[in-house]
Amino acid sequence: SAVISQKPSRDICQRGTSLTIQCQVDSQVTMMFWYRQQPGQSLTLIATANQGSEATYESGFVIDKFPISRPNLTFSTLTVSNMSPEDSSIYLCSVAAGTGYQPQHFGDGTRLSIL
Amino acid sequence: GQQLNQSPQSMFIQEGEDVSMNCTSSSIFNTWLWYKQDPGEGPVLLIALYKAGELTSNGRLTAQFGITRKDSFLNISASIPSDVGIYFCAGPGSGGSNYKLTFGKGTLLTVNP
Repeated sequence: SAVISQKPSRDICQRGTSLTIQCQVDSQVTMMFWYRQQPGQSLTLIATANQGSEATYESGFVIDKFPISRPNLTFSTLTVSNMSPEDSSIYLCSVAAGTGYQPQHFGDGTRLSIL
Repeated sequence: GQQLNQSPQSMFIQEGEDVSMNCTSSSIFNTWLWYKQDPGEGPVLLIALYKAGELTSNGRLTAQFGITRKDSFLNISASIPSDVGIYFCAGPGSGGSNYKLTFGKGTLLTVNP
């Protein structure tokens, strides 16, 4: 399966600031996704990153708070804007390759703490 | 939205014991996926199931896609300390995009050497 690299692996940020998380894949993939995993919780889909167009956001997540870019088939970024302590979570990138349904594979995540 | 009920929430077992966990859905799923997440890492895909009734093994792990398409189970035989972690079931469901995954709340497995 594809090798997925996320940067940074962890960060501690101040309230009110923004952080951009990068997801790099070693091969071209059809689908890229961003998830949030709050402490001790399961994974919740934030949005589907669409190449060359605006991301598709799930209910409860908005572009102003979580702007996403996907300039090509191997790279995407997620920005967490105007952070508050409630944004302290693990943010995970996942990819699905090929045509037809393929299972998603995940990066190791970005552990974000907001002070 | 679709919901997955995963049980048990946690398990504490002795090394060598067998483990069973399951997942049920309020709606039909076309695919069942089982992931394991180790501390500090992202979820790793263990087994993917695509057909109702399908039984698939991966080493000591065995998973089945329920005939009703609303449930799945994962068994681990002869557990070892490295089996420790959180196990998640997930599926894309039958509505909307086939790629959007819904996750269960996870089963935390602790293995006592």
